[in-house]
Amino acid sequence: GQQLNQSPQSMFIQEGEDVSMNCTSSSIFNTWLWYKQDPGEGPVLLIALYKAGELTSNGRLTAQFGITRKDSFLNISASIPSDVGIYFCAGVDDYGQNFVFGPGTRLSVLP
Amino acid sequence: DTGVSQDPRHKITKRGQNVTFRCDPISEHNRLYWYRQTLGQGPEFLTYFQNEAQLEKSRLLSDRFSAERPKGSFSTLEIQRTEQGDSAMYLCASSLSGLANEQFFGPGTRLTVL
Repeated sequence: GQQLNQSPQSMFIQEGEDVSMNCTSSSIFNTWLWYKQDPGEGPVLLIALYKAGELTSNGRLTAQFGITRKDSFLNISASIPSDVGIYFCAGVDDYGQNFVFGPGTRLSVLP
Repeated sequence: DTGVSQDPRHKITKRGQNVTFRCDPISEHNRLYWYRQTLGQGPEFLTYFQNEAQLEKSRLLSDRFSAERPKGSFSTLEIQRTEQGDSAMYLCASSLSGLANEQFFGPGTRLTVL
Protein backbone atom coordinates (compact mmCIF):
# COMPACT_ATOMS: atom_id res chain seq x y z
CA GLY A 1 0.00 0.00 0.00
CA GLN A 2 0.94 3.64 -0.09
CA GLN A 3 3.41 4.77 2.55
CA LEU A 4 4.91 8.08 3.50
CA ASN A 5 8.31 8.62 5.07
CA GLN A 6 9.12 11.58 7.25
CA SER A 7 12.53 12.85 8.21
CA PRO A 8 13.89 13.43 10.65
CA GLN A 9 12.02 11.15 13.06
CA SER A 10 12.80 13.54 15.89
CA MET A 11 14.74 16.73 16.42
CA PHE A 12 15.89 18.90 19.29
CA ILE A 13 16.43 22.58 18.56
CA GLN A 14 17.10 25.74 20.48
CA GLU A 15 14.35 28.31 20.80
CA GLY A 16 14.66 30.84 17.99
CA GLU A 17 16.15 28.42 15.48
CA ASP A 18 14.56 27.53 12.17
CA VAL A 19 13.32 23.99 11.55
CA SER A 20 12.95 22.00 8.35
CA MET A 21 11.29 18.61 7.93
CA ASN A 22 10.47 16.46 4.91
CA CYS A 23 7.89 14.02 3.72
CA THR A 24 8.46 11.65 0.81
CA SER A 25 6.40 9.04 -0.96
CA SER A 26 6.78 6.46 -3.68
CA SER A 27 3.31 7.44 -4.93
CA ILE A 28 1.98 10.63 -6.42
CA PHE A 29 -0.52 12.66 -4.42
CA ASN A 30 -2.69 15.54 -5.54
CA THR A 31 -2.88 17.22 -2.16
CA TRP A 32 -0.43 17.42 0.72
CA LEU A 33 -1.48 18.34 4.22
CA TRP A 34 0.61 19.15 7.28
CA TYR A 35 -0.74 18.60 10.79
CA LYS A 36 0.54 19.18 14.32
CA GLN A 37 -0.49 16.92 17.18
CA ASP A 38 -0.14 17.67 20.87
CA PRO A 39 -0.15 14.81 23.42
CA GLY A 40 -3.61 13.38 23.99
CA GLU A 41 -5.20 15.48 21.27
CA GLY A 42 -6.19 15.02 17.66
CA PRO A 43 -4.04 16.41 14.83
CA VAL A 44 -4.64 20.06 13.92
CA LEU A 45 -4.38 21.13 10.29
CA LEU A 46 -1.57 23.63 9.68
CA ILE A 47 -1.22 23.97 5.92
CA ALA A 48 -2.85 22.48 2.82
CA LEU A 49 -1.10 22.31 -0.58
CA TYR A 50 -3.00 21.65 -3.80
CA LYS A 51 -0.63 22.22 -6.70
CA ALA A 52 2.82 20.89 -7.61
CA GLY A 53 5.42 23.53 -6.84
CA GLU A 54 3.07 25.50 -4.62
CA LEU A 55 4.67 27.34 -1.71
CA THR A 56 2.28 28.36 1.06
CA SER A 57 2.83 30.19 4.33
CA ASN A 58 0.87 30.33 7.54
CA GLY A 59 2.55 32.71 9.98
CA ARG A 60 5.97 31.28 10.80
CA LEU A 61 5.21 28.09 8.86
CA THR A 62 6.03 27.57 5.20
CA ALA A 63 5.33 24.42 3.22
CA GLN A 64 6.00 23.41 -0.36
CA PHE A 65 4.42 20.81 -2.63
CA GLY A 66 7.22 19.08 -4.52
CA ILE A 67 7.37 19.31 -8.31
CA THR A 68 7.30 15.53 -8.66
CA ARG A 69 4.18 15.39 -6.43
CA LYS A 70 5.97 12.78 -4.35
CA ASP A 71 7.29 15.02 -1.62
CA SER A 72 6.69 18.05 0.55
CA PHE A 73 8.60 19.99 3.15
CA LEU A 74 7.61 22.10 6.12
CA ASN A 75 9.72 24.91 7.55
CA ILE A 76 9.17 26.63 10.87
CA SER A 77 11.01 29.88 11.42
CA ALA A 78 12.09 31.33 14.77
CA SER A 79 10.83 28.37 16.80
CA ILE A 80 9.10 28.96 20.12
CA PRO A 81 8.30 26.54 22.98
CA SER A 82 4.69 26.00 21.84
CA ASP A 83 5.99 24.54 18.56
CA VAL A 84 6.76 21.37 20.50
CA GLY A 85 4.73 18.44 19.23
CA ILE A 86 4.53 15.83 16.50
CA TYR A 87 4.22 17.01 12.91
CA PHE A 88 2.48 14.73 10.43
CA CYS A 89 2.29 14.98 6.70
CA ALA A 90 -0.60 13.44 4.80
CA GLY A 91 -1.00 12.75 1.10
CA VAL A 92 -4.44 12.74 -0.51
CA ASP A 93 -5.35 10.88 -3.69
CA ASP A 94 -7.13 12.11 -6.83
CA TYR A 95 -10.61 11.70 -5.45
CA GLY A 96 -9.98 13.27 -2.07
CA GLN A 97 -10.99 10.07 -0.37
CA ASN A 98 -7.78 8.31 0.54
CA PHE A 99 -5.66 10.09 3.17
CA VAL A 100 -2.28 8.49 3.95
CA PHE A 101 -0.31 9.75 6.95
CA GLY A 102 3.41 9.67 7.61
CA PRO A 103 4.85 8.41 10.92
CA GLY A 104 5.53 11.95 12.15
CA THR A 105 8.47 14.13 13.16
CA ARG A 106 8.72 14.80 16.88
CA LEU A 107 9.95 18.33 17.59
CA SER A 108 11.41 19.42 20.90
CA VAL A 109 12.35 23.05 21.52
CA LEU A 110 14.93 23.78 24.19
CA PRO A 111 14.72 27.15 25.96
CA ASP B 1 -17.70 25.00 19.45
CA THR B 2 -18.28 23.92 15.85
CA GLY B 3 -15.37 21.50 15.50
CA VAL B 4 -15.39 17.70 15.44
CA SER B 5 -16.29 16.21 18.80
CA GLN B 6 -15.77 12.70 20.12
CA ASP B 7 -17.17 10.92 23.11
CA PRO B 8 -15.89 9.55 25.40
CA ARG B 9 -12.37 10.99 25.52
CA HIS B 10 -11.10 8.02 27.47
CA LYS B 11 -12.37 4.47 27.86
CA ILE B 12 -10.91 1.69 29.98
CA THR B 13 -12.43 -1.73 29.52
CA LYS B 14 -11.69 -5.34 30.25
CA ARG B 15 -10.75 -7.74 27.50
CA GLY B 16 -13.82 -9.31 25.95
CA GLN B 17 -16.14 -6.39 26.58
CA ASN B 18 -17.82 -4.37 23.83
CA VAL B 19 -17.22 -0.63 23.50
CA THR B 20 -18.86 2.06 21.39
CA PHE B 21 -17.48 5.47 20.49
CA ARG B 22 -19.32 8.42 19.03
CA CYS B 23 -18.19 11.13 16.63
CA ASP B 24 -20.02 14.32 15.75
CA PRO B 25 -18.51 15.90 12.63
CA ILE B 26 -18.53 19.53 11.59
CA SER B 27 -22.17 20.09 10.67
CA GLU B 28 -21.87 20.81 6.94
CA HIS B 29 -19.26 18.10 6.31
CA ASN B 30 -20.55 15.13 4.34
CA ARG B 31 -17.45 12.93 4.70
CA LEU B 32 -16.51 11.23 7.95
CA TYR B 33 -13.43 9.11 8.62
CA TRP B 34 -12.30 6.85 11.42
CA TYR B 35 -8.62 6.28 12.15
CA ARG B 36 -6.64 4.35 14.72
CA GLN B 37 -3.39 5.71 16.08
CA THR B 38 -0.89 3.83 18.21
CA LEU B 39 2.04 5.35 20.06
CA GLY B 40 4.72 6.72 17.78
CA GLN B 41 2.70 6.26 14.61
CA GLY B 42 0.58 8.39 12.36
CA PRO B 43 -3.16 7.82 12.07
CA GLU B 44 -4.10 4.64 10.19
CA PHE B 45 -7.25 4.69 8.10
CA LEU B 46 -10.08 2.42 9.25
CA THR B 47 -13.21 3.43 7.37
CA TYR B 48 -14.90 6.30 5.59
CA PHE B 49 -18.49 7.51 5.04
CA GLN B 50 -19.92 9.84 2.48
CA ASN B 51 -23.21 10.93 4.00
CA GLU B 52 -24.70 7.71 5.39
CA ALA B 53 -22.93 5.36 2.96
CA GLN B 54 -19.86 3.50 4.16
CA LEU B 55 -17.68 3.64 1.05
CA GLU B 56 -14.43 2.10 2.12
CA LYS B 57 -13.09 -0.14 4.85
CA SER B 58 -9.48 -0.92 5.62
CA ARG B 59 -8.32 -4.48 6.07
CA LEU B 60 -7.38 -3.28 9.56
CA LEU B 61 -11.10 -3.25 10.31
CA SER B 62 -11.69 -6.82 11.47
CA ASP B 63 -15.10 -8.43 11.87
CA ARG B 64 -15.16 -7.25 15.47
CA PHE B 65 -15.29 -3.64 14.32
CA SER B 66 -18.41 -2.01 12.93
CA ALA B 67 -19.15 1.61 12.10
CA GLU B 68 -22.41 3.32 11.31
CA ARG B 69 -23.59 6.73 10.26
CA PRO B 70 -27.33 6.19 10.07
CA LYS B 71 -28.53 9.70 9.28
CA GLY B 72 -25.42 11.03 7.64
CA SER B 73 -24.54 13.13 10.66
CA PHE B 74 -22.93 11.54 13.75
CA SER B 75 -21.17 8.20 13.54
CA THR B 76 -20.50 5.36 15.96
CA LEU B 77 -17.64 2.89 16.01
CA GLU B 78 -18.22 -0.32 17.93
CA ILE B 79 -15.59 -2.85 18.88
CA GLN B 80 -16.88 -6.21 20.02
CA ARG B 81 -14.97 -8.66 22.21
CA THR B 82 -12.14 -6.21 22.74
CA GLU B 83 -8.55 -7.46 22.78
CA GLN B 84 -5.48 -5.86 24.33
CA GLY B 85 -4.21 -5.10 20.84
CA ASP B 86 -7.20 -2.81 20.34
CA SER B 87 -5.72 -0.33 22.82
CA ALA B 88 -5.09 2.84 20.82
CA MET B 89 -6.35 6.33 20.15
CA TYR B 90 -9.39 6.28 17.87
CA LEU B 91 -9.65 9.45 15.84
CA CYS B 92 -12.56 10.77 13.86
CA ALA B 93 -12.20 13.35 11.11
CA SER B 94 -14.59 15.09 8.76
CA SER B 95 -14.29 16.91 5.48
CA LEU B 96 -16.37 18.47 2.77
CA SER B 97 -16.24 16.73 -0.61
CA GLY B 98 -14.92 18.87 -3.38
CA LEU B 99 -11.67 20.44 -4.36
CA ALA B 100 -10.52 21.40 -0.88
CA ASN B 101 -9.31 18.12 0.57
CA GLU B 102 -8.97 19.37 4.10
CA GLN B 103 -9.74 16.97 6.88
CA PHE B 104 -10.41 18.16 10.41
CA PHE B 105 -9.88 15.88 13.38
CA GLY B 106 -11.64 15.45 16.66
CA PRO B 107 -9.73 15.12 19.95
CA GLY B 108 -9.86 11.31 19.83
CA THR B 109 -11.00 8.56 22.17
CA ARG B 110 -8.20 6.78 23.97
CA LEU B 111 -9.08 3.14 24.53
CA THR B 112 -7.25 1.00 27.05
CA VAL B 113 -8.07 -2.70 27.14
CA LEU B 114 -6.95 -4.44 30.32
